[in-house]
Amino acid sequence: GNSVTQMEGPVTLSEEAFLTINCTYTATGYPSLFWYVQYPGEGLQLLLKATKADDKGSNKGFEATYRKETTSFHLEKGSVQVSDSAVYFCALSLRNAGNMLTFGGGTRLMVKP
Amino acid sequence: EAGVAQSPRYKIIEKRQSVAFWCNPISGHATLYWYQQILGQGPKLLIQFQNNGVVDDSQLPKDRFSAERLKGVDSTLKIQPAKLEDSAVYLCASSSGQGNSPLHFGNGTRLTVT
Repeated sequence: GNSVTQMEGPVTLSEEAFLTINCTYTATGYPSLFWYVQYPGEGLQLLLKATKADDKGSNKGFEATYRKETTSFHLEKGSVQVSDSAVYFCALSLRNAGNMLTFGGGTRLMVKP
Repeated sequence: EAGVAQSPRYKIIEKRQSVAFWCNPISGHATLYWYQQILGQGPKLLIQFQNNGVVDDSQLPKDRFSAERLKGVDSTLKIQPAKLEDSAVYLCASSSGQGNSPLHFGNGTRLTVT
């Protein structure tokens, strides 16, 4: 089946530190990959996506590269801010599965000033 | 554009009671999804609609959960009777259904079953 595994949190960093949140996947076909973010009290928001191998998705200083050879889509940011504190979800979708999203368990990021 | 609307925002019920959640997707979005997000876990798909037809309900506990989208626009999700383990946030999402169109999520309904 299809599944997404991401590193468990919480991840606690100081402001301006480098962030990496690991994500790996298994899929029965050729998936599109996504990172969603959930700020406290808010709904899930799409952060970035990549639809084919070697694509790099980027948004708000975050980026992730679709690595087919390692089935990974790690999220990175060079310098985190307190406002980045949230829960981050890695997800995949398959067109032959109605584009429904399969999510990882989420990683809580806490950034301290 | 207006986002995905869900109500109520919060609901507290006792076990064995029934509850219903409502979702109004983004205008023109053909595909609608209901997800269950248990605290500390990622969202899990319950059911997917394409217009007013069910595409996937393989993970919907059909003995107690039901959902409908009669006119292909808004949707309701019902639980009857509720169990303690149904405590979760119920998320509705919609997409245009075209190609790799992204899902847009509502803020969810937080259900507590006591």
